[in-house]
Amino acid sequence: AQSVTQLDSHVSVSEGTPVLLRCNYSSSYSPSLFWYVQHPNKGLQLLLKYTSAATLVKGINGFEAEFKKSETSFHLTKPSAHMSDAAEYFCVVSDRFSGYSTLTFGKGTMLLVSP
Amino acid sequence: DVKVTQSSRYLVKRTGEKVFLECVQDMDHENMFWYRQDPGLGLRLIYFSYDVKMKEKGDIPEGYSVSREKKERFSLILESASTNQTSMYLCAIQTAVGYNEQFFGPGTRLTVL
Repeated sequence: AQSVTQLDSHVSVSEGTPVLLRCNYSSSYSPSLFWYVQHPNKGLQLLLKYTSAATLVKGINGFEAEFKKSETSFHLTKPSAHMSDAAEYFCVVSDRFSGYSTLTFGKGTMLLVSP
Repeated sequence: DVKVTQSSRYLVKRTGEKVFLECVQDMDHENMFWYRQDPGLGLRLIYFSYDVKMKEKGDIPEGYSVSREKKERFSLILESASTNQTSMYLCAIQTAVGYNEQFFGPGTRLTVL
């Protein structure tokens, strides 16, 4: 069975400072990993994905994540926060089955950005 | 671009009513999913379908059923709505190419009174 733990329910940063959102996963298979973002009253948007091609993954809006198998982690980072980054972020793991796969979502981390 | 449409953005129903939530995709994707999203709980999978007339239970199927008569349309049915089914409902599709990412509709916020 697969699972995801987002270590912080809320993270607060000041604009211009680095962002770190932490995620640990558990999977019986070689997983695919994703980060999704949800802005207030908006749908879920794919931010980036890990698919075993490279351990450092770059996404949209300057975000990136590093896959560390030994630590079973997939933390999301950004060098400099912007006010528009304020949103809820979900770490997601996928096990691959024949023809389809299901996603398991973490409980989310709310990112608050202050001026 | 992948487009996933949900029939209503907001819906208010009464306890005991039968509720239909519709999801329509504009591409030829086999895999479709229904989730509910609640604060502090993330997204939880209710049902999914990998082909017409095929359905599989997710993690929380109790109180729900689904229908997929056509490839582009996947319906979530609440046979007798209850207040604990008040939630945000999200439909998603999964592309055959890529690495299993899913694309989501805008969601339906259902309130059961």
